[in-house]
Amino acid sequence: DVKVTQSSRYLVKRTGEKVFLECVQDMDHENMFWYRQDPGLGLRLIYFSYDVKMKEKGDIPEGYSVSREKKERFSLILESASTNQTSMYLCASSFDASGTYLPYEQYFGPGTRLTVT
Amino acid sequence: AQSVTQLDSQVPVFEEAPVELRCNYSSSVSVYLFWYVQYPNQGLQLLLKYLSGSTLVKGINGFEAEFNKSQTSFHLRKPSVHISDTAEYFCAVTLRGDYKLSFGAGTTVTVRA
Repeated sequence: DVKVTQSSRYLVKRTGEKVFLECVQDMDHENMFWYRQDPGLGLRLIYFSYDVKMKEKGDIPEGYSVSREKKERFSLILESASTNQTSMYLCASSFDASGTYLPYEQYFGPGTRLTVT
Repeated sequence: AQSVTQLDSQVPVFEEAPVELRCNYSSSVSVYLFWYVQYPNQGLQLLLKYLSGSTLVKGINGFEAEFNKSQTSFHLRKPSVHISDTAEYFCAVTLRGDYKLSFGAGTTVTVRA
């Protein structure tokens, strides 16, 4: 079974703090994604990565950055947290080079509920 | 980018009754379509997918969906729901050859005894 884990289920941070959200997958997936989920808006893509050290902006990258130094780990960074970044953050991964997992079939972690006060 | 519209934000339903969740997507030549389910306090889990072939797709937990190209729809159905089907359901679409998904806003299904 594919397993995608996220470092925290719940996180409370203060405005202006630097925040790191970590995601690890164990299936040698090439692609990794960060989404935020807000009521009535569904999931919106923040950033994605299709290879180590490679990243591309999604639909809402402002206020976020990412890091992928190792294939299995994808970090989301809030450089200076603000209250409008209070949300549920979901990590996902897809696609392995051997073809066992298809590129468009994403597997999700349990989410991190971030509250910025 | 593709857009996805889920026409109902909340669907209350009684146990053992049928349910239909509606999803429409913006037109394109070739798309792949998905339904994901999110149980309370969990991540998203793939329910079913349409890639090609038969327009009626069967998924896990007794769900099925029908791809209708002319209507650009991919509605999800279950003939008899259980309390455990209480969850949020997301429709998603991607273009063939792409690996980014576009999600709808979600439909919350609440099953009552």
